[in-house]
Amino acid sequence: EVQLLESGGGLVQRGGSLRLSCAASGFTFSSYAMSWVRQAPGKGLEWVSAISGSGGSTYYADSVKGRFTISRDNSKNTMYLQMNSLRGEDTAVYYCAKEGGAVAGVYYYYMDVWGKGTTVTVSS
Amino acid sequence: QSALTQPRSVSGSPGQSVTISCTGTSSDVGAYNYVSWYQQHPGKAPKLLIYDVSKRPSGVPDRFSGSKSGNTASLTISGLQAEDEADYYCCSYAGSYTYVFGTGTKVTVL
Repeated sequence: EVQLLESGGGLVQRGGSLRLSCAASGFTFSSYAMSWVRQAPGKGLEWVSAISGSGGSTYYADSVKGRFTISRDNSKNTMYLQMNSLRGEDTAVYYCAKEGGAVAGVYYYYMDVWGKGTTVTVSS
Repeated sequence: QSALTQPRSVSGSPGQSVTISCTGTSSDVGAYNYVSWYQQHPGKAPKLLIYDVSKRPSGVPDRFSGSKSGNTASLTISGLQAEDEADYYCCSYAGSYTYVFGTGTKVTVL
């Protein structure tokens, strides 16, 4: 069974740091790009960051660029999100998601597997 | 990277059809046929319903269908059922391996 399990959320002060992890199982982790998506309390989904299967390419939303760093360790089937200089508006449930990937030369731009999420609360 | 615009809420009686619109720009929805839709029940993770504008993953009922015209994509739920009451989000590829989500629509089954 394909599964994603996030961890590392918690309460942190404004300006602080936190590292989230996403452990994957049930698929060839290194073959798929992965994303982080967050959802502030009572709000909609917001794409945060993505990383290629090899880890060599990373992408960020403008709202987190320069503060967050995405990475992965394919030997551990785990993706990470290092969050620095945290702000109140970063308070959210953070989901990791597997992207559709490339099949027969065609890339599929969607997220087909999601974790249950981990909650980050930034206090003032 | 402005959020795509969706109606805040739509409602319908069991058996009826409802359509949710998702309006973007020529840089996202209008530029790519990579619109996906997600269903989210309260307290749960999103679930993929539609990808590439109109394709359904295995296991998604054919009551769910998608389309696109210009900068606006749409999700139609036909034969509305009680379990369809949830939040729905569109998402578009926006180039350079980035994505933009819609503002979300709450579907209420009357």
